[in-house]
Amino acid sequence: GNSVTQMEGPVTLSEEAFLTINCTYTATGYPSLFWYVQYPGEGLQLLLKATKADDKGSNKGFEATYRKETTSFHLEKGSVQVSDSAVYFCALSANDYKLSFGAGTTVTVRA
Amino acid sequence: GAGVSQSPSNKVTEKGKDVELRCDPISGHTALYWYRQSLGQGLEFLIYFQGNSAPDKSGLPSDRFSAERTGGSVSTLTIQRTQQEDSAVYLCASSLRSPGLAGAHEQYFGPGTRLTVT
Repeated sequence: GNSVTQMEGPVTLSEEAFLTINCTYTATGYPSLFWYVQYPGEGLQLLLKATKADDKGSNKGFEATYRKETTSFHLEKGSVQVSDSAVYFCALSANDYKLSFGAGTTVTVRA
Repeated sequence: GAGVSQSPSNKVTEKGKDVELRCDPISGHTALYWYRQSLGQGLEFLIYFQGNSAPDKSGLPSDRFSAERTGGSVSTLTIQRTQQEDSAVYLCASSLRSPGLAGAHEQYFGPGTRLTVT
């Protein structure tokens, strides 16, 4: 079946630090890949997506590249801000359309 | 425009009671999904509606759970004889187009209903 594995948190960083959250997946077919973010007290929001191999999704300074050879979709940001503190979820949607989520990574950015 | 809305935002119920959770998808979205977010299980798919097709109920954890979607819009998730392990945040999402089309998989989530079973 389809599954997503992402690095466990929590992750604590200082402002302007570099952030990487690793995500690997197992899927049949050719899935679409997503990063969702959940800010404190808010609902899930789509952060970025990639629908085919070698696509790079980007938004709000975050980037992730769909790597079919390593079945990975790692999230990166070069300089985090306090406002990036949130829970980040890697997810995939394959031919069965439902989203399969990773466990989530809690990121805290200190001023 | 308006996003996905859910009601109530919080629900506290006694064990054994039935509860109904409501979801209003984004207008024009043909696909609707229910997920559950709990501490022990993370985010889990529950059920999926697409147009007039039979729903995919493969994620429902037991026969106490059911859902319907009236008129291709509003959906209600019903949990009968609630148990403490049903305590979770229930999330609804909708998407614009059918699977198989480019960009079809992008789902927009509502704020969720936090269910507490005492």
